[in-house]
Amino acid sequence: TQLLEQSPQFLSIQEGENLTVYCNSSSVFSSLQWYRQEPGEGPVLLVTVVTGGEVKKLKRLTFQFGDARKDSSLHITAAQPGDTGLYLCALRGRGGADGLTFGKGTHLIIQP
Amino acid sequence: SQTIHQWPATLVQPVGSPLSLECTVEGTSNPNLYWYRQAAGRGLQLLFYSVGIGQISSEVPQNLSASRPQDRQFILSSKKLLLSDSGFYLCAWSAQANTEAFFGQGTRLTVV
Repeated sequence: TQLLEQSPQFLSIQEGENLTVYCNSSSVFSSLQWYRQEPGEGPVLLVTVVTGGEVKKLKRLTFQFGDARKDSSLHITAAQPGDTGLYLCALRGRGGADGLTFGKGTHLIIQP
Repeated sequence: SQTIHQWPATLVQPVGSPLSLECTVEGTSNPNLYWYRQAAGRGLQLLFYSVGIGQISSEVPQNLSASRPQDRQFILSSKKLLLSDSGFYLCAWSAQANTEAFFGQGTRLTVV
């Protein structure tokens, strides 16, 4: 079973619209990261959320960590074509150095 | 500043042939190093990680192996490639006391 479930799997919207994507788990996690990956490149870290209920903003992107630390959301306001990409949530492995466990991601396409 | 280099960018190999992908990191010492594979519909899967020279941990049984002959060099190998080894291979590093992972540009491997 997938430790992290991301939804929706695919999302295509028009420029200027708002959207929210989700990352959910049946387990509590100590911290969670969001990455964005563009085609043919490696993922790039957007944010790390640690505290339950935490909200972080990165320009038009708002990241929220659920109170119970089992879910997270990413909200994009007034989406632009440059936001197109694969959005991945990830959590740290068991021992800190073990590497990241990723969700399957949300493929986002912003149409001009 | 730290940089990570991964090569080649693309590779087409016949079934049964050997494989060697190389990754090097510059600008940091004693990094944690990782190999991930990204296959369609399966997301990013951690293959190997290393916390030091000669120290390799494998996450999943497979047809691949990894080696770390130098502090900032990580190599992914196979003696005989299978069709199922096709995918996008990503090398990454993280600092010992930091959870952010920095990814290389990836290698698109197609086994034919």
